[in-house]
Amino acid sequence: NAGVTQTPKFRILKIGQSMTLQCAQDMNHNYMYWYRQDPGMGLKLIYYSVGAGITDKGEVPNGYNVSRSTTEDFPLRLELAAPSQTSVYFCASRSVGGSGANVLTFGAGSRLTVL
Amino acid sequence: RKEVEQDPGPFNVPEGATVAFNCTYSNSASQSFFWYRQDCRKEPKLLMSVYSSGNEDGRFTAQLNRASQYISLLIRDSKLSDSATYLCVVNKAGYSTLTFGKGTMLLVSP
Repeated sequence: NAGVTQTPKFRILKIGQSMTLQCAQDMNHNYMYWYRQDPGMGLKLIYYSVGAGITDKGEVPNGYNVSRSTTEDFPLRLELAAPSQTSVYFCASRSVGGSGANVLTFGAGSRLTVL
Repeated sequence: RKEVEQDPGPFNVPEGATVAFNCTYSNSASQSFFWYRQDCRKEPKLLMSVYSSGNEDGRFTAQLNRASQYISLLIRDSKLSDSATYLCVVNKAGYSTLTFGKGTMLLVSP
């Protein structure tokens, strides 16, 4: 099982550029999440989804957009990149029922630098 | 009061020591509790779930105190490889999102 796969692992953007961080999971999890983590800080929720076609804002959604057209994929789009978006981005997923309910599985992260 | 609070540390301990972390949560509707481990520049990974009766996994013991609204993690016989940040995670009944503490850093030295 691949689990949660994020691409790219590293990216450098110029101010004002846009890009999409990809996230895919092969565990048939309904719930998916995007977090950002700044150096020395905790995780902050950007957006989440409880199923295909359903997305909702977390605590820091400004400057980002998401879509969830399939159960497997949950891309995060950065529009008009700013230096404040320099961070490590983690995608995660979890099931709702069963023995692993509420346990989050994380991707390896995408390190983004905006210059 | 923050929803989930942890002492950020760092906790500096020698190899072989026993160390304990606490995590307090503010919402009494909280239902599920977890400890995650995060190594430097890596993704968080589940260390253990926390059950009402307490549970043990090798050198690690987790406890839940609903009356006082805190969970704890005890690490016995610390190893160098235990050096990491330990995140307390709480899920409230009926909520789609989980709440993370900011983490407690543990540094185990030779």
